[in-house]
Amino acid sequence: AQRVTQPEKLLSVFKGAPVELKCNYSYSGSPELFWYVQYSRQRLQLLLRHISRESIKGFTADLNKGETSFHLKKPFAQEEDSAMYYCALSGQGGYQKVTFGIGTKLQVIP
Amino acid sequence: NAGVTQTPKFQVLKTGQSMTLQCAQDMNHNSMYWYRQDPGMGLRLIYYSASEGTTDKGEVPNGYNVSRLNKREFSLRLESAAPSQTSVYFCASSEGPAGQFFGPGTRLTVL
Repeated sequence: AQRVTQPEKLLSVFKGAPVELKCNYSYSGSPELFWYVQYSRQRLQLLLRHISRESIKGFTADLNKGETSFHLKKPFAQEEDSAMYYCALSGQGGYQKVTFGIGTKLQVIP
Repeated sequence: NAGVTQTPKFQVLKTGQSMTLQCAQDMNHNSMYWYRQDPGMGLRLIYYSASEGTTDKGEVPNGYNVSRLNKREFSLRLESAAPSQTSVYFCASSEGPAGQFFGPGTRLTVL
């Protein structure tokens, strides 16, 4: 069974401090990992995918297969980063079921 | 390009009433999904459609039915609404490994 664990329901940081949102997964195979963001009362938006190895809005995430983790990081938090962040996993190739974590609420304190 | 659209945005039902939530996408995606979002539980998959003509149960299908009307449209029906179905419902679509695109959500309250 595939599973995504986000151990923190709430993460509070001060503006300008580094941010790390944790995501661990369980999957027997090669997964596709994603981070989604949901700003207050808005739809979920794809933030980044591990396969593209991109940096979006200053956020990066590296897939660590040894630790089965895909933590989301940003060196300096901004107030506009306050939102819900969801980690998600799917398999590779063709149609694959997507599993979401329960989400972490990031609160950036001015 | 509207992306993924959902109607209605808000709905209040009485226990036992029925309703259909509509979803449409204009990105020519093969796969479509219905999720519910509840506080502390994240997103839970209700039903999905891997391609036109197919539908499958997700994690929490009880009390719901779906119809993949064509490639663009995927509707979710509550036959006899219950208070436990009070939630925010999101439709999404995807194609390959690019990730999912979500609609704006429907906020449903069942009294």
